Parts: sequence; structure tokens; C-alpha cells
Amino acid sequence: ETGVTQSPTHLIKTRGQQVTLRCSSQSGHNTVSWYQQALGQGPQFIFQYYREEENGRGNFPPRFSGLQFPNYSSELNVNALELDDSALYLCASSPGQRRGETQYFGPGTRLLVL
Amino acid sequence: AQRVTQPEKLLSVFKGAPVELKCNYSYSGSPELFWYVQYSRQRLQLLLRHISRESIKGFTADLNKGETSFHLKKPFAQEEDSAMYYCALTYAGGTSYGKLTFGQGTILTVHP
Repeated sequence: ETGVTQSPTHLIKTRGQQVTLRCSSQSGHNTVSWYQQALGQGPQFIFQYYREEENGRGNFPPRFSGLQFPNYSSELNVNALELDDSALYLCASSPGQRRGETQYFGPGTRLLVL
Repeated sequence: AQRVTQPEKLLSVFKGAPVELKCNYSYSGSPELFWYVQYSRQRLQLLLRHISRESIKGFTADLNKGETSFHLKKPFAQEEDSAMYYCALTYAGGTSYGKLTFGQGTILTVHP
């Protein structure tokens, strides 16, 4: 096992609410990336954090935000939930940002917005 | 903008037959290409990357910059190869490394 964990595994929210998803990277992994995977689609890059600073963002609105902590844990926060936010959310960690480094994915959190 | 296209959503072959999963990409810079695999009830994991030029579980993939393709091939498919396969790319340098763009995936089913 790669050691990347995510919580919770499943979550149900209603439209307009806020949600926080959590990821625990492998020790020593300074980079964490978050992806959204809608049903039947490939993962879509949300943003990446490196040493607690946001280091790139995909085509997602500001209501998607994140935090990375010194203990290799991180959070994805989504405000004002919309029905289309229903998806599997994946985090992936890697040691740094050098070419050739492997990203290790967590099992994901499945979010349903009603 | 970068894009990865996997034209086949489903691919079925019989055990022992050759298999090729297609991947085409569009990217203006110098990309690095990957194949990721997700077996049933398991997490997404890296299968291979083009810079390694290695064979993993009998699979190979060659980057064809002229055709902007990175097809995944295996000469003799096995039942345990049944899985979802994703092609992905990232920029090969600087701080953009690791921001993956994925295709939509191909479900490979290998029949006995």
C-alpha cells in the first residue's frame, strides 16, 4: 500500500452547504494534488500544493480551496455546493516536483450533493 | 490547452490476443506521458511512463511525437489485465510537473 489515506470515504451534502475533505500523504511527500472525477470521466486537476503553498490550479472556481499542513495532511474545501460537485475526489502525493517522481493516489472520497 | 483523448470507452479481447489501447494528445510544449490503471476495488496507480521506456506487466507504450500518440500495447492479454486504463500527461519541466491531464479512460475486459 502507498500510505495515502482520505476521509471520509463517502459523504452526502445538500446544495449550498460547505464540505471539507481530508487527505493524509506519505511521510516526506511535500506535494499534494487534488482531482475531481465525475462519473464516467477521467480525473480532472483541481489544484496542487507544495510545501503548504498553492502551486497551480485547474479550471475550478474560487469556492474550491485547499490547505496543506506541515504534518503531510491536507484539506479540500468546497463552499456553496452545487449538484454538479457530486463526484469522486482524489488526492495524490509525491516527494517533490522533480521529473520522474511518481504520484501516489488515495482511495478517494465520494461526495453526493442533493 | 492540453488534451488527452482515448477514443475507446470499452475494449474487449480474448485471453492470449494482442491488445492496444489508444491515446492521442494535444500539447504545445514538451509533455511527459503516462498510463495509469485502476483494477477493481483498488486505487489508481501508475502503470508506466514514457521516459522510463520499460515494460510493466508485459505492457509497453511508445511516444510518437509526429502522430501525438502514446498507445498502450500488450502482445498476449491476460484475464488479470481487465481494468480501467487512463492515459495522462503533464508538462515535463518547471513547477508544472505533476499536474496531470487525464483522458476519459478505457475499460479493458479480457475474456477467458
